[in-house]
Amino acid sequence: GNSVTQMEGPVTLSEEAFLTINCTYTATGYPSLFWYVQYPGEGLQLLLKATKADDKGSNKGFEATYRKETTSFHLEKGSVQVSDSAVYFCALSEFSGGFKTIFGAGTRLFVKA
Amino acid sequence: DAGVTQSPTHLIKTRGQQVTLRCSPISGHKSVSWYQQVLGQGPQFIFQYYEKEERGRGNFPDRFSARQFPNYSSELNVNALLLGDSALYLCASSLAAGGETQYFGPGTRLLVL
Repeated sequence: GNSVTQMEGPVTLSEEAFLTINCTYTATGYPSLFWYVQYPGEGLQLLLKATKADDKGSNKGFEATYRKETTSFHLEKGSVQVSDSAVYFCALSEFSGGFKTIFGAGTRLFVKA
Repeated sequence: DAGVTQSPTHLIKTRGQQVTLRCSPISGHKSVSWYQQVLGQGPQFIFQYYEKEERGRGNFPDRFSARQFPNYSSELNVNALLLGDSALYLCASSLAAGGETQYFGPGTRLLVL
């Protein structure tokens, strides 16, 4: 079945370091891909999305490119801040016998000052 | 504008009981999805409803059911509760079904004893 696999955490970085959180997926069709973020004490919220191959989603300095050939949607940021500390979820949404959204297990990021 | 609201915020039940969780979507959103999130894991898709019809179903037993009302609010029902049903239940609303951005509520935390 369809699935989303993201790198295990926690990931601990110093402020201004480069961030990559890997995400790969399996899907039978052409899904939309998302990164959601959950800050401490807050609910899930959309960070960025891409709806077709080679699209790049971006928001708040984060970027991810929809790579159909490698079935990947890796999240990157050039310089992280302490305020980026959160749990990041990769997700796909597609129609496969009905609409479904599948989330990865989440990656916790800690950024040290 | 109000975001997605869920009630109750917390609930304690015993095995074998039944529970009903409620969700009100963002005004103008016609689709509601339900997820189960166990601590340390990503949300697991249960149902998606759009225009009062079920448009997607995840791999959950028939003890789980849902419905959407004419005002687009939704209820999730779980019968014959098991200890393993203890989790955070999230509701998300979107403008339509499919690969739309979802807006999540704060969740209902269910504890089954």
